[in-house]
Amino acid sequence: KNQVEQSPQSLIILEGKNCTLQCNYTVSPFSNLRWYKQDTGRGPVSLTIMTFSENTKSNGRYTATLDADTKQSSLHITASQLSDSASYICVVRGSGNTPLVFGKGTRLSVIA
Amino acid sequence: DAGVIQSPRHEVTEMGQEVTLRCKPISGHNSLFWYRQTMMRGLELLIYFNNNVPIDDSGMPEDRFSAKMPNASFSTLKIQPSEPRDSAVYFCASSRGQPEGAFFGQGTRLTVV
Repeated sequence: KNQVEQSPQSLIILEGKNCTLQCNYTVSPFSNLRWYKQDTGRGPVSLTIMTFSENTKSNGRYTATLDADTKQSSLHITASQLSDSASYICVVRGSGNTPLVFGKGTRLSVIA
Repeated sequence: DAGVIQSPRHEVTEMGQEVTLRCKPISGHNSLFWYRQTMMRGLELLIYFNNNVPIDDSGMPEDRFSAKMPNASFSTLKIQPSEPRDSAVYFCASSRGQPEGAFFGQGTRLTVV
């Protein structure tokens, strides 16, 4: 069964600290994996997309990694800011007729 | 560009009533998607259109749900009759092709009482 599991479900960190969010998937065959940030009351916004051949990709303070062998991805946030408080959703796209599979997200709260 | 525009932002309706959600995609995008988001199930793809044609509606929960895209700049998602379990945030998204690259609207929060 195609699934995407994210951990932790929620996370609270102090402003300025780093954190890492995890995404494990069983989607096969694999095409790409994308991380979205969703602020409260708004639609998701794409942060980064990872294809099979990519191991690391950065977008400012956000760095995503992908291990296609173990089917794991992580999103690392450096020097967190209050504005990083949001839900982070991992989405995996399969090849061919394999559907788009969404994780349930990690709710991150950055506090002063 | 104003992005994907959804209306209304909030809708409260009584069980059994018809609900129509509206979406204007980003100009030039040829794919449009309707999603539903709940705390329990997260984001779910309901249906997507390519060049105004429904391509995959396997995510539509039941016959009470229907979606149309009469032209490239407008789509509707209709629920008739609505039920309390339909309460969720409904997102419309558009893209040039693949769903994972979609730009999302701000959503319609539907409450069915």
